[in-house]
Amino acid sequence: DQQVKQNSPSLSVQEGRISILNCDYTNSMFDYFLWYKKYPAEGPTFLISISSIKDKNEDGRFTVFLNKSAKHLSLHIVPSQPGDSAVYFCAASVYGGSQGNLIFGKGTKLSVKP
Amino acid sequence: KAGVTQTPRYLIKTRGQQVTLSCSPISGHRSVSWYQQTPGQGLQFLFEYFSETQRNKGNFPGRFSGRQFSNSRSEMNVSTLELGDSALYLCASSLDPGTPLSQHFGDGTRLSIL
Repeated sequence: DQQVKQNSPSLSVQEGRISILNCDYTNSMFDYFLWYKKYPAEGPTFLISISSIKDKNEDGRFTVFLNKSAKHLSLHIVPSQPGDSAVYFCAASVYGGSQGNLIFGKGTKLSVKP
Repeated sequence: KAGVTQTPRYLIKTRGQQVTLSCSPISGHRSVSWYQQTPGQGLQFLFEYFSETQRNKGNFPGRFSGRQFSNSRSEMNVSTLELGDSALYLCASSLDPGTPLSQHFGDGTRLSIL
């Protein structure tokens, strides 16, 4: 049973346009959501997070939106740049909970074309 | 400050063999988690260690095991290797369990089973 789902395996966007990556979750106990970016042969690097008490968090070109009622979050990248091409993972966690691990989606491969 | 170090970076084994992977966490980080990344399943949680004790375990067979030493360094072992064990194995360290925002990943060990 997948608790965190990224239903789009890939996304292609033109440079300068907006990239929107989506993520759905099923466990209402999750209270922290994180996005990671991963290049081949490297570990995931933290991008941005959002607490369940917020509905939006912004950091430069990256904004994460959380819709708790729909159990849905999205990552917006504006404007998209070729260097953003990578696999993006959505992850969820229970902060301070007994389980310290992250539950990941399967990832979305973003390709930003010049 | 040195990041999470995983050794070796690449490893080739044959079916039936066993393998041990090593992870040195960021200095001061006491919790270590292991994840398996495969193209079909994405990033899946293996287990988490804190204070030399396994706190949490994912849904993997008993062939997958691990341990943590007093200096927080961790090893994972896979016995009786199968072709399906070919994957990127990622280690992540965090200050304490249940603190996902402090979790940092190593670059992984790429294990190939022939």
